[in-house]
Amino acid sequence: DTAVSQTPKYLVTQMGNDKSIKCEQNLGHDTMYWYKQDSKKFLKIMFSYNNKELIINETVPNRFSPKSPDKAHLNLHINSLELGDSAVYFCASSQDYGNRRVEQYFGPGTRLTVT
Amino acid sequence: RKEVEQDPGPFNVPEGATVAFNCTYSNSASQSFFWYRQDCRKEPKLLMSVYSSGNEDGRFTAQLNRASQYISLLIRDSKLSDSATYLCVVNSVGTASKLTFGTGTRLQVTL
Repeated sequence: DTAVSQTPKYLVTQMGNDKSIKCEQNLGHDTMYWYKQDSKKFLKIMFSYNNKELIINETVPNRFSPKSPDKAHLNLHINSLELGDSAVYFCASSQDYGNRRVEQYFGPGTRLTVT
Repeated sequence: RKEVEQDPGPFNVPEGATVAFNCTYSNSASQSFFWYRQDCRKEPKLLMSVYSSGNEDGRFTAQLNRASQYISLLIRDSKLSDSATYLCVVNSVGTASKLTFGTGTRLQVTL
C-alpha cells in the first residue's frame, strides 16, 4: 500500500551515462514533483507537474528531462551524468485544491552515485 | 541570503527536555508554513502546518510571526524517537504549490 514509490532505490553509474528514475503515486493526486537533496542535505525542488503539465521548472541543466505519461507517474531522465549529479532524488505528490496549504507526500528517495 | 534559514545544530538534549527551533524566511509574501521531519536516510514527512495564531499538536507547538518573518517549533518532554532533522518549509506565492525547504536543524535526544 505504498503511497509514493520510486525505482530504483540505489543507482550507481559512471560519468557520461544516461539513466532514468521512475516514480509512481497511488494517492490519486494531480500534482507531482522532483526534488534533489545534495550532500549537505539541502532539499531543492527541480520540477513539478500538474495533470501531466509542467508547471515548475527550476534552474536545472537541460540534461535533466522529466516526463509524465499520466497523473500517477513522473519519471526523471538524466543524460550525460556528471559527478555533481550525485545526490538523493525524491519524488513527491500532492492534491492541488488551489490552496497553498497542501501536504506533499514524499517517496523513499533514489540515491544516485556517479563515479 | 537563503530563502529559508535555520540553525543546523545539532541540538543534543536529554530525554524530557524542552527544545526550541527557529527559522526565518526572506519572502514576505509567503503564504503557508510547515515543519517537516526527516529521519536519517529517509524521506521528509509533514510534522505540522504552522498557523498565524500558533498551533499545538501534543508535545509540539508551532508559532508564526509574520512581521518578523519568523517561525518556531517547540518540543516538550523530548523522547528518544524525536531524534531527527526538522525542516522549516515555506510555500512560495505563485500559481503552483512550491515548497522551499530550510537546510534543517538536527536534534539528538539522549538518555
